[in-house]
Amino acid sequence: DADVTQTPRNRITKTGKRIMLECSQTKGHDRMYWYRQDPGLGLRLIYYSFDVKDINKGEISDGYSVSRQAQAKFSLSLESAIPNQTALYFCATSDLGTSGGFTDTQYFGPGTRLTVL
Amino acid sequence: GIQVEQSPPDLILQEGANSTLRCNFSDSVNNLQWFHQNPWGQLINLFYIPSGTKQNGRLSATTVATERYSLLYISSSQTTDSGVYFCAVGRGANSKLTFGKGITLSVRP
Repeated sequence: DADVTQTPRNRITKTGKRIMLECSQTKGHDRMYWYRQDPGLGLRLIYYSFDVKDINKGEISDGYSVSRQAQAKFSLSLESAIPNQTALYFCATSDLGTSGGFTDTQYFGPGTRLTVL
Repeated sequence: GIQVEQSPPDLILQEGANSTLRCNFSDSVNNLQWFHQNPWGQLINLFYIPSGTKQNGRLSATTVATERYSLLYISSSQTTDSGVYFCAVGRGANSKLTFGKGITLSVRP
């Protein structure tokens, strides 16, 4: 089984609809992230959470909200979807590492392809 | 914020050739990672390498933190190496990653 899962994998919705993307992980990591990827722009950070009670905005948080329901679950919501939110969305997790030293290697889910019409 | 530039933007290789991918960054960092995005979209972490050199099979990476660049070497390339390679950097104890725009590699059989 995959360590980081995202649901749904594909979603088509209409302008103005509310939509939630879900992420679950079995890696036991404290840190979770949401990114969006647009062609030619790389990945940009939307929100991140370093533990259940910690939520932080990334560089492009406008129009999005998140919920950290548990250590293993981190959801991204689009309250009122618009066409320029059409993108590939990734969830990622990381941990500082247990073998000594600071690593914070990030592990990505398979992505959710969202289309807003 | 930190600026990350990757070069070249596109690279076409014949199977078996070697290549070097470059990542320049604008400020000091304590977190640098290389990722490979395969043609199906999956992102795989290749290296965590804020400084020094690491090797994993045909891939190796070197980061010269004082000169603010990192290099990813691919030797004896295979068609399965095709995809987009991203460099991402961060700084501080709770570092968020800033990604470059990626290098698209196509390996021809």
